[in-house]
Amino acid sequence: DVKVTQSSRYLVKRTGEKVFLECVQDMDHENMFWYRQDPGLGLRLIYFSYDVKMKEKGDIPEGYSVSREKKERFSLILESASTNQTSMYLCASSLLGTTNEKLFFGSGTQLSVL
Amino acid sequence: DQQVKQNSPSLSVQEGRISILNCDYTNSMFDYFLWYKKYPAEGPTFLISISSIKDKNEDGRFTVFLNKSAKHLSLHIVPSQPGDSAVYFCAASAYETSGSRLTFGEGTQLTVNP
Repeated sequence: DVKVTQSSRYLVKRTGEKVFLECVQDMDHENMFWYRQDPGLGLRLIYFSYDVKMKEKGDIPEGYSVSREKKERFSLILESASTNQTSMYLCASSLLGTTNEKLFFGSGTQLSVL
Repeated sequence: DQQVKQNSPSLSVQEGRISILNCDYTNSMFDYFLWYKKYPAEGPTFLISISSIKDKNEDGRFTVFLNKSAKHLSLHIVPSQPGDSAVYFCAASAYETSGSRLTFGEGTQLTVNP
């Protein structure tokens, strides 16, 4: 079974802090994604990556950056956290060339910025 | 600009009856549609999909209908079971292959009452 692991289930941070959200997948997937889920807005794509050291902006990249130094790990970075970044963050991965049915999600990190 | 819309935030049905979840889209480039299911404290999991060349796809109790001219799709669950209680997300992409970006709807909370 594919496993996508997000390092924290709940995280509480202060405004202005630098925040790292970590995601690790164990199936050698090329594609990795970061989404945020907000009530009434669904899932929105922040950033994605097709390969090591490669990144592409999603629909809402402002205020975020990402890092992919190793194939299995994709980090989401909030350079200076703000209250409007309070959200559920979901990481996902998939094998290059497979269909979107094979997109696997982690359990999510609920981030609260105070 | 919400390109995929699920207008019902919630739906409540009795066990054994039919659940119908609706989804509308505006982008004519969307060619592939998926439904994901999400339980609390878990990531979304793939449920069923349909290509734009079809108007119906069935998998056990789940059937997805696509009306391209109306830009509308629906998910039917028959018969509904209490274990189906979850948030259902409609998603669309321009291509079938993974890595083609998914656009999600807002989600519909389905509650199936025993």
